[in-house]
Amino acid sequence: GEDVEQSLFLSVREGDSSVINCTYTDSSSTYLYWYKQEPGAGLQLLTYIFSNMDMKQDQRLTVLLNKKDKHLSLRIADTQTGDSAIYFCAERSGGSYIPTFGRGTSLIVHP
Amino acid sequence: ETGVTQSPTHLIKTRGQQVTLRCSSQSGHNTVSWYQQALGQGPQFIFQYYREEENGRGNFPPRFSGLQFPNYSSELNVNALELDDSALYLCASSSERQGGGYEQYFGPGTRLTVT
Repeated sequence: GEDVEQSLFLSVREGDSSVINCTYTDSSSTYLYWYKQEPGAGLQLLTYIFSNMDMKQDQRLTVLLNKKDKHLSLRIADTQTGDSAIYFCAERSGGSYIPTFGRGTSLIVHP
Repeated sequence: ETGVTQSPTHLIKTRGQQVTLRCSSQSGHNTVSWYQQALGQGPQFIFQYYREEENGRGNFPPRFSGLQFPNYSSELNVNALELDDSALYLCASSSERQGGGYEQYFGPGTRLTVT
């Protein structure tokens, strides 16, 4: 079945860039998503990318997709303490409406 | 525009009991999906409702059931609760009119504890 893998923790200094990585196994993945979950809250959709794109930029967020290696990354520029949260990668194939989520990467931003 | 709301926020039940969780979808959305998020895990898909019909189901037993109402709000019912059912239950709404990106908007979740 489909599998989405993420590293569990990332610690960065305020003002630095953060890069959160994700790998997936489903070669038919069509849509790839990044969600943010703050403590005690639901998931907030940050951005998504179609599989025919290599990169998508939205303000401080840059998503890079390497379809050949099935690798997705989320770069957060000028990371702030408010960016501290759990970030989930998810993928969905074109024939399904059910996304598969990774276990989440806990981003800790320290002064 | 009203976002996705869920009730109750927290709930404590005893093993063997039944529970009903509620979700109001975002205005204009006709599709609701339910997810179970165990501690330290990503959300796991339970099922989805589209225009009051179940539109797909994940790997959950039949004691997990649901409903969607004409106003597109939804309920998740869990019978014969087990300790492993303790989790955050998330509801997400979407609309097929948002195109192929299928953007789901999540509610804040209901934290269920089974003792």
